[in-house]
Amino acid sequence: EPEVTQTPSHQVTQMGQEVILRCVPISNHLYFYWYRQILGQKVEFLVSFYNNEISEKSEIFDDQFSVERPDGSNFTLKIRSTKLEDSAMYFCASSSEGVSNQPQHFGDGTRLSIL
Amino acid sequence: AQKITQTQPGMFVQEKEAVTLDCTYDTSDPSYGLFWYKQPSSGEMIFLIYQGSYDQQNATEGRYSLNFQKARKSANLVISASQLGDSAMYFCAMRASGNTPLVFGKGTRLSVIA
Repeated sequence: EPEVTQTPSHQVTQMGQEVILRCVPISNHLYFYWYRQILGQKVEFLVSFYNNEISEKSEIFDDQFSVERPDGSNFTLKIRSTKLEDSAMYFCASSSEGVSNQPQHFGDGTRLSIL
Repeated sequence: AQKITQTQPGMFVQEKEAVTLDCTYDTSDPSYGLFWYKQPSSGEMIFLIYQGSYDQQNATEGRYSLNFQKARKSANLVISASQLGDSAMYFCAMRASGNTPLVFGKGTRLSVIA
C-alpha cells in the first residue's frame, strides 16, 4: 500500500540553526499538509499546500516557517532559525482530494529536538 | 471553527472485551467528515475509520465501528474484541467541507490488559 515517507525520523539541532524536514507524499495525491505534535499534546495544523502554493496556514506558521515542493515528489518544511519551543513531532500528510470525506494519510513523523 | 472534545484521557479494557472511546464535536458547517486515528508508542498516525456527516449508516471497518449520533454531535469509536496491540493513543478529528485542515482532539490513551 502506498505511504507517505518522511526523513529523517529524528533530527537534533542547535537552537538558531535552520532545519529542513522532508516528505514524499503518496504519488497520486495533490493536497499536502504539515502538522506538529508537541510531546503529550494534541496534533496541530501548520500549513496546507495545493497547486504549488499555500492554501491555508495557522498562527503557528509564522515567518520562520516555509514550505516548498522542489520537484515532483518531495515536499519540504523549513524552519529558518529554530527555537526551543519548535521541539515536536512533525507530521506530513497527503490526500487525493481536498474534500471532507477524504482521509489524510500521515507519514511516520520526524521528531525534532532543539538543544 | 471546528472543535473536537475527547473527555477520556485514559481508558483500560480487558483483552477480548469491547471498548468505546468518546468524541464530541462542534461545527457550524453542514458538511463535514469525522475521522479516527491511532497513534502507537512508536509515534506514527494510522487512519482507522471515517464517517461523513450525510452518511445514513454508521461506518464500520473490521473491528472498528463508529457510533455516529448527529443530533448529539458525537462520533464514538467502538473497538470490539480488544487486542494487546490496540494499546495506543486514539485521536478523533474532523474536517469541514473543502480543502480544510484536520482538527484533532486531545486524544485518549487506551491500555489493553491481558
